[in-house]
Amino acid sequence: DAGVTQSPTHLIKTRGQQVTLRCSPKSGHDTVSWYQQALGQGPQFIFQYYEEEERQRGNFPDRFSGHQFPNYSSELNVNALLLGDSALYLCASNQGAEETQYFGPGTRLLVL
Amino acid sequence: DQQVKQNSPSLSVQEGRISILNCDYTNSMFDYFLWYKKYPAEGPTFLISISSIKDKNEDGRFTVFLNKSAKHLSLHIVPSQPGDSAVYFCAASEGGTYKYIFGTGTRLKVLA
Repeated sequence: DAGVTQSPTHLIKTRGQQVTLRCSPKSGHDTVSWYQQALGQGPQFIFQYYEEEERQRGNFPDRFSGHQFPNYSSELNVNALLLGDSALYLCASNQGAEETQYFGPGTRLLVL
Repeated sequence: DQQVKQNSPSLSVQEGRISILNCDYTNSMFDYFLWYKKYPAEGPTFLISISSIKDKNEDGRFTVFLNKSAKHLSLHIVPSQPGDSAVYFCAASEGGTYKYIFGTGTRLKVLA
């Protein structure tokens, strides 16, 4: 049973560039959430996708956008990268109204 | 404003003894609480959860206690094992919001 997978594992970008991160949910899950974890902090909620729509959004600027595909996989896009966007980006999935989210290994983004 | 707080950044415990990790929250609308364990270079792994209609939930060596009046939850690990050494995050959600609010984590070190 495949868990949540994310790609790439690591990424280095420069300020002003754009980045796309990818996530495949756990088998049987239809809901994907994205979190940003800065060094020494807990994960912070970015947004959640369900039925290909953004269902809930955290306190992140519009530079952060996403998409969910019909197969439930998801992308996180960040435009006009800032140094402060350097973090571990985590994807989590769950099934419908089920409360517990299961996390992938994350993508570590470094912005220079 | 940090709605979920883990005031102990680190904890050391002898192998075989009890580990107690604490978490406080401020939002009385939170109704679902979870604990995750995180190893370096991995995503958070779900450990145990509790709904606000309960005050205790047990799963093997792990027990979570919820004190709603004090807005406090704790995770007990008995007996502690060296493999339990990791960073532990508590998280909370408010029904219908679909997002988790995480604490900043407690690093547990179990000494052999």
